[in-house]
Amino acid sequence: GESVGLHLPTLSVQEGDNSIINCAYSNSASDYFIWYKQESGKGPQFIIDIRSNMDKRQGQRVTVLLNKTVKHLSLQIAATQPGDSAVYFCAENDSSGSARQLTFGSGTQLTVLP
Amino acid sequence: ETGVTQTPRHLVMGMTNKKSLKCEQHLGHNAMYWYKQSAKKPLELMFVYNFKEQTENNSVPSRFSPECPNSSHLFLHLHTLQPEDSALYLCASSQKAGTDNEKLFFGSGTQLSVL
Repeated sequence: GESVGLHLPTLSVQEGDNSIINCAYSNSASDYFIWYKQESGKGPQFIIDIRSNMDKRQGQRVTVLLNKTVKHLSLQIAATQPGDSAVYFCAENDSSGSARQLTFGSGTQLTVLP
Repeated sequence: ETGVTQTPRHLVMGMTNKKSLKCEQHLGHNAMYWYKQSAKKPLELMFVYNFKEQTENNSVPSRFSPECPNSSHLFLHLHTLQPEDSALYLCASSQKAGTDNEKLFFGSGTQLSVL
């Protein structure tokens, strides 16, 4: 089956720096992508989403970039803060099958250093 | 608060026990989900309910039995579990299953340990 993966399992950044978390996907039929944040002891929380007809979308301090040519997705966090420390998941929605369901990546642990 | 509440937060059970996980959503959504989250593995979809009807059973063993009495409540009944079933069980809801832009709202999960 298709899979969604992350380049690095862990990422450490200095407080105030920008963070970039990457995600690769292999299903060319994927047309909707979501980033989730999961803090310790909590469930995943929606951050931002993007459809395949876009290549960039911005939110509050976050930007998602989509490169369909190389099937790559990234989440950029500006001015990273201690509260951004969490596991970040990308997820894809595949419209090629009979049931639409999100496929999640394994996650990247982001640690913000003081 | 995400609007999705799960109880209990932690559960330890023996392999012969019977227990139930509960989930309640206050978002007015029509779809509810059970996911399993094991350490360092992607979230695994278990069950999907849309308007109280089960629409997905992702080849889940019969020792896990879901129940959805209404669109706001979801249960996962557990019996004769195995140690490998130890994981974080997450409940989620969305406006409607099987549609575009299916944003999921997750509860905080039940951390299950099977001894």
